[in-house]
Amino acid sequence: QVQLVQSGAEVKKPGASVKVSCKTSGFTFTDYDIHWVRQAPGRGLEWVGRVTPNSGGTKYAQKFQGWVTMTWDTSISTAYMELSSLKPDDTAVYYCARGGKICSGHCCYDFWGQGALVTVSS
Amino acid sequence: QSALTQPASVSGSPGQSITIPCTGTSSDIGGFDYVSWYQHRPGKAPKLMIFDVSNRPSGVPNRFSGSKSGNAASLMISGLQAEDEANYYCSSYSSGSTPYVFGTGTEVSVL
Repeated sequence: QVQLVQSGAEVKKPGASVKVSCKTSGFTFTDYDIHWVRQAPGRGLEWVGRVTPNSGGTKYAQKFQGWVTMTWDTSISTAYMELSSLKPDDTAVYYCARGGKICSGHCCYDFWGQGALVTVSS
Repeated sequence: QSALTQPASVSGSPGQSITIPCTGTSSDIGGFDYVSWYQHRPGKAPKLMIFDVSNRPSGVPNRFSGSKSGNAASLMISGLQAEDEANYYCSSYSSGSTPYVFGTGTEVSVL
């Protein structure tokens, strides 16, 4: 079955970086986009960015450009999201999600990871 | 890129029908039939409920339906059940600088 399993919770100080992993199984990793979505406490879902392993492409939300980096390792079917220069406002649960092929333009997320809580505090 | 607009909360009694509106612009909802809806319970991963405006993935009850008119989309839940209590988010593709946008989210309560 399709699974996306994320790394555990992290506590970081302001200015530090964090790297969250998303290990996938049950499907061919290079056939799908992997998206990253975050939810800050008491807030809604926010799209952060996407990787397309097949083409090697990445696309980030405008507000994250310059301080988010998304990578992947095809050999272990794992995607990564690294955020730098962390601020307390970056405290959130970060989800990875598969871009669904059942949706036109692959513009939906059909399977999600369990989420990884990143806390930024001095 | 602005989030799509949803009411903060909607409530209904068991068995009733409710509708959750999602308002966007001609650059997102109005320009593409790429609207999807997600059910999100606290502490759980979001779940895809509707894709391409009105299609249900396998396993989603037919009590859930979606539609679109102009720059707005809607999710209807008929025969409301206690298990439907959750937050619901719409999402759309966008031609703006950020290609994917979510709605502000709606908390559904079953009275």
